[in-house]
Amino acid sequence: DAGVIQSPRHEVTEMGQEVTLRCKPISGHDYLFWYRQTMMRGLELLIYFNNNVPIDDSGMPEDRFSAKMPNASFSTLKIQPSEPRDSAVYFCASSWAGMTTEAFFGQGTRLTVV
Amino acid sequence: AQSVTQPDIHITVSEGASLELRCNYSYGATPYLFWYVQSPGQGLQLLLKYFSGDTLVQGIKGFEAEFKRSQSSFNLRKPSVHWSDAAEYFCAVGNNDMRFGAGTRLTVKP
Repeated sequence: DAGVIQSPRHEVTEMGQEVTLRCKPISGHDYLFWYRQTMMRGLELLIYFNNNVPIDDSGMPEDRFSAKMPNASFSTLKIQPSEPRDSAVYFCASSWAGMTTEAFFGQGTRLTVV
Repeated sequence: AQSVTQPDIHITVSEGASLELRCNYSYGATPYLFWYVQSPGQGLQLLLKYFSGDTLVQGIKGFEAEFKRSQSSFNLRKPSVHWSDAAEYFCAVGNNDMRFGAGTRLTVKP
């Protein structure tokens, strides 16, 4: 398996634009996590899914953020409209039984909002 | 509320020297504890985890960690550091709602 695949690796966008980050989890994994990493706040859990269903989205910072998982092999994190303070590295991770088993992380998407 | 504190932002050690990275946690029940490593430009990789049982946990790459309930600590250790160990290390606590510490950046001197 190629591991967790995130796209794009880098994204530069203007303030106010819509941004969509994509994630393909490892086949067979039933948990998917979205994290945001910044210098100021470190790694923050934004939302996680189990069997494509959102379980906890309490970490989503604002209504501008939304995440979907239409099927077991794909998830998106959307920011609309984007703001400069959204600039961060966004990680997707997947596991087959929650975080108590090993969660495999993608390489992240570095988002810059100018 | 659960939280994780990594007191050391940056640590520098010489290659071959021993290493200890500190982690303190706050959690309402018996925690699940983890150490992850992040190389530059990469995602996180699990080094080891503790759920229950033996309080000394062995991980990959020669790392180990000891759970001390009385001190609410889960420090990561390695007897002899290699240059390839230079990276950012994160302690984490929780279950699916895992919380990460701020990280400790390790620099290895030749």
